[in-house]
Amino acid sequence: DAGVTQSPTHLIKTRGQHVTLRCSPISGHKSVSWYQQVLGQGPQFIFQYYEKEERGRGNFPDRFSARQFPNYSSELNVNALLLGDSALYLCASSSGQGAGDTQYFGPGTRLTVL
Amino acid sequence: GQNIDQPTEMTATEGAIVQINCTYQTSGFNGLFWYQQHAGEAPTFLSYNVLDGLEEKGRFSSFLSRSKGYSYLLLKELQMKDSASYLCAVLGGGYNKLIFGAGTRLAVHP
Repeated sequence: DAGVTQSPTHLIKTRGQHVTLRCSPISGHKSVSWYQQVLGQGPQFIFQYYEKEERGRGNFPDRFSARQFPNYSSELNVNALLLGDSALYLCASSSGQGAGDTQYFGPGTRLTVL
Repeated sequence: GQNIDQPTEMTATEGAIVQINCTYQTSGFNGLFWYQQHAGEAPTFLSYNVLDGLEEKGRFSSFLSRSKGYSYLLLKELQMKDSASYLCAVLGGGYNKLIFGAGTRLAVHP
């Protein structure tokens, strides 16, 4: 079975631009979470979606938005990019049900903002 | 507030045993996870604890004490490929978001 897939792998943008990152969850999983990982830090929670509804949002500005599609894939959008948005963006897939729901991570998208 | 603490760096010798500690203070608790992350790669799931006690999985074991807000990951028979960052994460927040520590970079040397 395929794991979590993300695209693109790497991306270089300039300040002020916008970016769209994509994620496909493990087959059968209905929940997708997005995390930002700055070099040397642990991942920080951005969004969680379940059955196309936003379930939770972390402490990120409104420049960050996301959505989930009927096939459970997801997009993360970031507008008006800042240098500080340079990071590894991770998508995690889970069943979305029950306590202790294990999240499995995709390979990530490395975003560099110049 | 939410706070997860783990040592920044550790070193160990091939074949030895190492224990990585994690303490946490979070609002909401649905379990504690350990992930392994090699440089430039995604975190991979190692273990999950929700009840107090020890969970063993091959060379890796994880322990949880909810009353003390404490967990550790024990790695036995260390191999060079175990050199990586180890992330402690609490599942909580009402909708199962993961709250991560900064990670512990483990260097295994011959």
